[in-house]
Amino acid sequence: EVQLVQSGAEVKKPGESLKISCKDSGNSFTNYWIGWVRQMPGKGLEWMGVIYPRDSDTRYSPSFQGQVTISADKSISTAYLQWSSLKASDTAMYYCARALSLVRSPAFDIWGQGTMVTVSS
Amino acid sequence: IVLTQSPGTLSLSPGERATLSCRASQSVISDYLAWYQQKPGQAPRLLISGTSSRATGIPDRFSGSGSGTDFTLTISRLEAEDFAVYYCQQYGSALFTFGPGTKVDIK
Repeated sequence: EVQLVQSGAEVKKPGESLKISCKDSGNSFTNYWIGWVRQMPGKGLEWMGVIYPRDSDTRYSPSFQGQVTISADKSISTAYLQWSSLKASDTAMYYCARALSLVRSPAFDIWGQGTMVTVSS
Repeated sequence: IVLTQSPGTLSLSPGERATLSCRASQSVISDYLAWYQQKPGQAPRLLISGTSSRATGIPDRFSGSGSGTDFTLTISRLEAEDFAVYYCQQYGSALFTFGPGTKVDIK
């Protein structure tokens, strides 16, 4: 059974950098897309971007383009979301999720447990 | 494409029927519309993809329908575990978009 296991909660200061991870426990990491979704406290879901680990094809939401970097290391079945300079407004829960295809019924069928990122001085 | 969900909150009793609406600012390919359920403190769970196909393990009291710009998630008889927030999501022009959500709470 495929599971996405995310790294633990982070507490950072404004201006610091951060890289959180999402590890796939299955054997098909390169056969699907991994997306990242932000959920600010008490708010809804916001799609940030997706990556296809096989060739690192990456698509970003215009709202997050240039604000974060999505990457993947297929050798260890892990996707990453990183910031170079955090802001207080980056405080949120971040989920990774699997999409089997972007051509047929694009949807996120398996989700990680979430990583809470708190940015505070 | 912007998704609008209504109502914002739906107050119902167990056993009642819930009808949730998702309206898109432009036409959505039916295969590209999905619904999720999220309970407090949990990750979202996929309920429906391709407008009407239930995900693995989703009970048949959940059904999806619609086309073009108007889509509906119906819960035929609410059970205690169904009280949650529901999001629609579309994929188009290489972008995913989520609606703002409908909260279904106990009346």
